[in-house]
Amino acid sequence: GENVEQHPSTLSVQEGDSAVIKCTYSDSASNYFPWYKQELGKRPQLIIDIRSNVGEKKDQRIAVTLNKTAKHFSLHITETQPEDSAVYFCAASRRYGGSQGNLIFGKGTKLSVKP
Amino acid sequence: GAVVSQHPSRVICKSGTSVKIECRSLDFQATTMFWYRQFPKQSLMLMATSNEGSKATYEQGVEKDKFLINHASLTLSTLTVTSAHPEDSSFYICSARREAGNTGELFFGEGSRLTVL
Repeated sequence: GENVEQHPSTLSVQEGDSAVIKCTYSDSASNYFPWYKQELGKRPQLIIDIRSNVGEKKDQRIAVTLNKTAKHFSLHITETQPEDSAVYFCAASRRYGGSQGNLIFGKGTKLSVKP
Repeated sequence: GAVVSQHPSRVICKSGTSVKIECRSLDFQATTMFWYRQFPKQSLMLMATSNEGSKATYEQGVEKDKFLINHASLTLSTLTVTSAHPEDSSFYICSARREAGNTGELFFGEGSRLTVL
């Protein structure tokens, strides 16, 4: 089955700096890679996602890149702000019968943005 | 975005009792819902995939007789923790995919924190 590795487990940056979180996956059949942000005690919220037919996607200060050959994808946050502080999870989906399957999550990265 | 509601948000029970957690998709139909378990400061661990009108698919290592899942309608899936023990204490989160458009995005419930005394 799918296995998703995420690094680093903790990341501390100064406000305004960039933050990069990296994930690798094992199942070459995975074709959907979302990133979720989870604040303490709250539900995960989707912040950006990418499909395997795209190499990069950007949404304001957030971008995700995907390297299918190497089976890794990364989250880039630029101009970080204190409100970006949270735990970020990457995930990959397996396919069942051609439709999107369930998500397998990485272990998470706790991002702290210092004012 | 789509709304998934989970109830109860917190539950405390005595060891040996059973607890039911509900997951509802409020504004869309979900043929598939997923149940995750999250320990403090850890990731979401997929427990099972709930399919409307059929048996749930459990991940390896998850006891199906311990964690009963019922997906009786397109908007409701329930997780029942049977004969709960302190080690079952955890944060349980459900998610559902809105099938229309097949965007793939999962919407999560608020989570249910179970404490077994």
